[in-house]
Order: sequence, then structure tokens, then C-alpha cells
Amino acid sequence: DIVMTQSPLSLPVTPGEPASISCRSSQSLLYTNGYHYLDWYLQKPGQSPQLLIYLGSNRASGVPDRFSGSGSGTDFTLKISRVEAEDVGIYYCMQGRQTPLTFGGGTKVEIK
Amino acid sequence: EVQLVESGGGLEQPGRSLRLSCTVSGFNFRDYVMSWFRQAPGKGLEWVGFIRGKSSGGTTEYAASVRGRFTISKDESKNIAYLQMNSLKTEDTAVYYCTRDGVKTGKEDAFDIWGQGTMVIVSS
Repeated sequence: DIVMTQSPLSLPVTPGEPASISCRSSQSLLYTNGYHYLDWYLQKPGQSPQLLIYLGSNRASGVPDRFSGSGSGTDFTLKISRVEAEDVGIYYCMQGRQTPLTFGGGTKVEIK
Repeated sequence: EVQLVESGGGLEQPGRSLRLSCTVSGFNFRDYVMSWFRQAPGKGLEWVGFIRGKSSGGTTEYAASVRGRFTISKDESKNIAYLQMNSLKTEDTAVYYCTRDGVKTGKEDAFDIWGQGTMVIVSS
């Protein structure tokens, strides 16, 4: 199984400031078609998860452009250019390179 | 509106069975991968399994922790996907989410629509 490791565990942020979350996989997420199968999800308090980023860097429909994803191989990053109060919650990375699909442990983003 | 609504959760004893339903609306789920995830209380997300679309043969895959006990199916005439859970264990206690793989990426990922979840408690 591919093990996903996120850091930090907790991220206090100031509104208007940038934020960054790291996700590392135990194996490359590059598939034979040239795509990296890495998603980012946000679970806001009391809500179901929502898709933010797929294929490492593609924003899902309706996701604000302050969210961006980057990375390759085994190292990926989610960046929020200017954090807003509504961005609080737990962020998860997930690999879709192979089954079993696996998640990182989550990063809790909260306002300072 | 595209929507997934789970139902069927509840309290069940270890060793017993439970069937969850995911009622689909707003799209034809025949051609989509439908997946189930779960989240134990206070824990992170865990993939349970998925069923591929009709064009991919409707095949299924499962996490090792549920393989042989859980079965995913769907009734396209009713627009419902199911998660049949047999031989329940206390560690199956979780909120169960039904999701849709809505972005055609070439593999089963990018789950863009999630239901509200249904709670399953396995306890004697």
C-alpha cells in the first residue's frame, strides 16, 4: 500500500496570509499516462469532505483560485495564497495511483 | 441538482449485517465510478471500495479490511448504490460516505460529489 504522510499536523493561520501543506507518498504517484494521481480534499467542521485539487494541480469546479496544488513524484504541496476564515477545517491528500486508495492523516487549519 | 443521499445507518451488533443505500439524483450514475469511504469517530478518511461504471464492466474493488465482508452494487433502475455490510465488527463503526468519481482522469479518483454521510455503530 502507498503510505501518505502530511505535514504539519496543525497549522494556525492569519487571515490574509499564505499557507502551505505538504504531502509525501511512499511511492511515486506518476502513472504511465503522465499524470500524478494526487487529490486534495477539505473537510470543513461538521461537513462532508469536498474535492479541491485533482491530478496534483487541477482545481475542481467552483474552487477559488487562491488554492493551488503542485508537486511531482512523491512530494506535493497545497498552497492557499491568502487564507480566509472559511478555509478552516482538515485538509487531506489522497493518492489515486493504485488501490487501495489511501489518505494522509490530515492537516488541521485554524485561525490564529 | 447533483446529489447523493445515504441512508440505512444505525446500531447493529457484531456479526450482524447492515445495508446502506446511496440515492443518486441529478445525473446518470450508470457511467460513473461510485465509491464508499468511511470515517471512524475522531479519525481520518478511509476508502472502503468502489464500483466502476457500466462501460468498465461494473467491476468492484475493496479495501483489505472489508474484502469478503462488504459488497458494493447498484440498481440503475432505482438510481441507488448499495453497500452491503456482513459480519460487522466493532471497528466498522464510522460515518459512511457515498461519493462520485466525477472527473474523468483515467483512474478512479477525484471524487467531486459526497453525500452527507450515514452513521454506523457496531456494538453489543
